[in-house]
Amino acid sequence: DGGITQSPKYLFRKEGQNVTLSCEQNLNHDAMYWYRQDPGQGLRLIYYSQIVNDFQKGDIAEGYSVSREKKESFPLTVTSAQKNPTAFYLCASPPGGSGFHTEAFFGQGTRLTVV
Amino acid sequence: AQSVTQLDSQVPVFEEAPVELRCNYSSSVSVYLFWYVQYPNQGLQLLLKYLSGSTLVKGINGFEAEFNKSQTSFHLRKPSVHISDTAEYFCAVSARIRGSTLGRLYFGRGTQLTVWP
Repeated sequence: DGGITQSPKYLFRKEGQNVTLSCEQNLNHDAMYWYRQDPGQGLRLIYYSQIVNDFQKGDIAEGYSVSREKKESFPLTVTSAQKNPTAFYLCASPPGGSGFHTEAFFGQGTRLTVV
Repeated sequence: AQSVTQLDSQVPVFEEAPVELRCNYSSSVSVYLFWYVQYPNQGLQLLLKYLSGSTLVKGINGFEAEFNKSQTSFHLRKPSVHISDTAEYFCAVSARIRGSTLGRLYFGRGTQLTVWP
């Protein structure tokens, strides 16, 4: 089945450590997105990528980094510079490359907790 | 930038009662509108979407929403809820990213629907 796979589902990190969240898709979509979800705040855009080797900052990119070396993969690194990394992270990908989403497919999310 | 306002953060309701989850958006241009549902520790699932055409949109699980351009609203309704409808619901609007050919979603803060027996 086509879809978006995020791993791991739960992740614990010590303060000061970098950690990488995986997002893989087999939908053959060009665009991929990372959102952060906090209780009562909805989803906020961290980074997005239109094609391989291209990515752009979203609304809250500070303390995060990404890469897009393959069409299928868009990993997100939460660096030690991110002051409040505990959150639920969602990867998404819409079909097509148009300026408007007609729909976005989401992964199951990774819950990151800093201990 | 677009903004989406979900007017209620929590909506408690008894089983088999009707429910309305309210959503208003700000936009001066044509938009696409969405409602997503999220169960605990899971991703978002599309309930329904408005792209064009009829202002009454029917979705999965018996939900429907009405697009009202003059009031910039897109309220979600269900005539009779079940306990299994307990979840968080997000309203979203799609818009083009400035300077890009890509679009993105702007989300409301979510409404927690709790259905009691």
